[in-house]
Amino acid sequence: NAGVMQNPRHLVRRRGQEARLRCSPMKGHSHVYWYRQLPEEGLKFMVYLQKENIIDESGMPKERFSAEFPKEGPSILRIQQVVRGDSAAYFCASSPRGHENTEAFFGQGTRLTVV
Amino acid sequence: GNSVTQMEGPVTLSEEAFLTINCTYTATGYPSLFWYVQYPGEGLQLLLKATKADDKGSNKGFEATYRKETTSFHLEKGSVQVSDSAVYFCALSDRNNAGNMLTFGGGTRLMVKP
Repeated sequence: NAGVMQNPRHLVRRRGQEARLRCSPMKGHSHVYWYRQLPEEGLKFMVYLQKENIIDESGMPKERFSAEFPKEGPSILRIQQVVRGDSAAYFCASSPRGHENTEAFFGQGTRLTVV
Repeated sequence: GNSVTQMEGPVTLSEEAFLTINCTYTATGYPSLFWYVQYPGEGLQLLLKATKADDKGSNKGFEATYRKETTSFHLEKGSVQVSDSAVYFCALSDRNNAGNMLTFGGGTRLMVKP
């Protein structure tokens, strides 16, 4: 059973370009969470999705950022018109249920660098 | 709102030394508490958890006890190894929230020297 798969591992974008980050949850997991880790900081929650639904996006910047988790395929975090401040590691986690003490399994992250 | 505060690093220890990493939390509800570990270039791995007061989570020689009276969840290990060098994150999950969103502390880098 493969773990949470994120790709690409490293992504370089110029200012103004779009970044697409992909996350395939563990098999059987229908709950996906995205977190952002700025350099030398902890992880900050961005968005929580179940299949085809956004459940909580309270941590997502209101502009330029969007997320989806379609019925088929991976979850996508999309950042439009990237700026230098978007440079960070973006982690995806998945869990089989939404219960608060269910373990969330993390991917290895995508490290986005905006130049 | 919810928050987690943990001691700043880096923490540098010699092999076989005793480790304590302090973690305190603020939560509106009655949270579950976690310690995650991040090795260089990797994602986070769950180290241990506790879901109610006085529960002790333990794994790989690490322990942490859920102290509701002091709102703390300090991580301890009696004898660290070089392979324990990593960044450790304390986190909570609030059952008042939908799902299992985690609120993380800022992380504590541990360096163990041979």
